[in-house]
Amino acid sequence: QKEVEQDPGPLSVPEGAIVSLNCTYSNSAFQYFMWYRQYSRKGPELLMYTYSSGNKEDGRFTAQVDKSSKYISLFIRDSQPSDSATYLCAIWDNYGQNFVFGPGTRLSVLP
Amino acid sequence: DSGVTQTPKHLITATGQRVTLRCSPRSGDLSVYWYQQSLDQGLQFLIQYYNGEERAKGNILERFSAQQFPDLHSELNLSSLELGDSALYFCASSVEGGQSYEQYFGPGTRLTVT
Repeated sequence: QKEVEQDPGPLSVPEGAIVSLNCTYSNSAFQYFMWYRQYSRKGPELLMYTYSSGNKEDGRFTAQVDKSSKYISLFIRDSQPSDSATYLCAIWDNYGQNFVFGPGTRLSVLP
Repeated sequence: DSGVTQTPKHLITATGQRVTLRCSPRSGDLSVYWYQQSLDQGLQFLIQYYNGEERAKGNILERFSAQQFPDLHSELNLSSLELGDSALYFCASSVEGGQSYEQYFGPGTRLTVT
């Protein structure tokens, strides 16, 4: 079992839709959770990070962590074509001193 | 533009060779991180340096090494290259020395080993 899993997609939604992107992880010791956005041929860009269970909101983006289920989500409201990218979840493994990334979900928002 | 620069943008070399990738962090950032991104392995953390010292080590092969210089730029050295080393190599930087989650990524170096 991989340490961090994501549905690779591609996920296609119409403009204005609410998008839900999800990751599951295997190690309950993981503490810090991040979401990155990566446009084609570019480096990843940090969207949000959190270390506690619950929700964290930033504009149209909401990150949700459920440590009991080892499940993290990113919600995008009022999605725009400019949101079309690959979304990577990432976790800091404090024990292994390692950043662990999911494989990414490719999102297309259609105008 | 994140402010992190990487050179070269593209590199094509043969198996068994050695290459050096260079990274300049954002002005004021003390930490540099190296990542490898390939189609089958995804984005993998290799190593972190903070102010010249190694801070954390991820899935870095023994054939690979890195260092951070007094001017804070960093180099990733890849030796005895294999076909499987073909990938995008990203550098990221952050202000802090701890495992900062506010990392800024460079544009990457695409390495092709033939």
